[in-house]
Amino acid sequence: ETAVFQTPNYHVTQVGNEVSFNCKQTLGHDTMYWYKQDSKKLLKIMFSYNNKQLIVNETVPRRFSPQSSDKAHLNLRIKSVEPEDSAVYLCASRGLGGRDAETLYFGSGTRLTVL
Amino acid sequence: SQLAEENPWALSVHEGESVTVNCSYKTSITALQWYRQKSGEGPAQLILIRSNEREKRNGRLRATLDTSSQSSSLSITATRCEDTAVYFCAPSGGSNYKLTFGKGTLLTVTP
Repeated sequence: ETAVFQTPNYHVTQVGNEVSFNCKQTLGHDTMYWYKQDSKKLLKIMFSYNNKQLIVNETVPRRFSPQSSDKAHLNLRIKSVEPEDSAVYLCASRGLGGRDAETLYFGSGTRLTVL
Repeated sequence: SQLAEENPWALSVHEGESVTVNCSYKTSITALQWYRQKSGEGPAQLILIRSNEREKRNGRLRATLDTSSQSSSLSITATRCEDTAVYFCAPSGGSNYKLTFGKGTLLTVTP
């Protein structure tokens, strides 16, 4: 049962445009993540937020900026996209206690294609 | 460099056969997680095996963990076509909790 929702599923845009991806989790978790998955399926963490506070910010270009309005939402904005930004962007959440403290629950991803 | 690596890179079996994916990792852990990612979906956890456990089962799945050699394996018995997916291992533990994944093993199960 899906509990991490991402929109849109797909997005095609041109170099230089701005895009925004949305993520919402209904699990009541406090921590949310953005991962980037390249064409070879390699998953790389980009950002992590805990209760609206940024706690992990990997080395990503400045054109990427996460936005969190509350602990259930974590959006990703990309200013002026580049061809190398073409990838699947996966949102995930993690809880506080028990098994949820270590398990990541992923959405189905947003596939970005930059022409 | 990657903290975890699965091997082989790809596997192909027929339905009903058993298969094993191996994982080596390079960090201290509190647990080792296995995830599966089907086409068009995000990864989903299959098994979480804690550092003080040597084996964990979940239905047709069996995971082993050897902390001395920093290795783990995931075995699937009686494979089905719906087991076709990419399988990732992810060592977990440490501060800030950044879960890192290996590059994955692509398993293809054919009828």
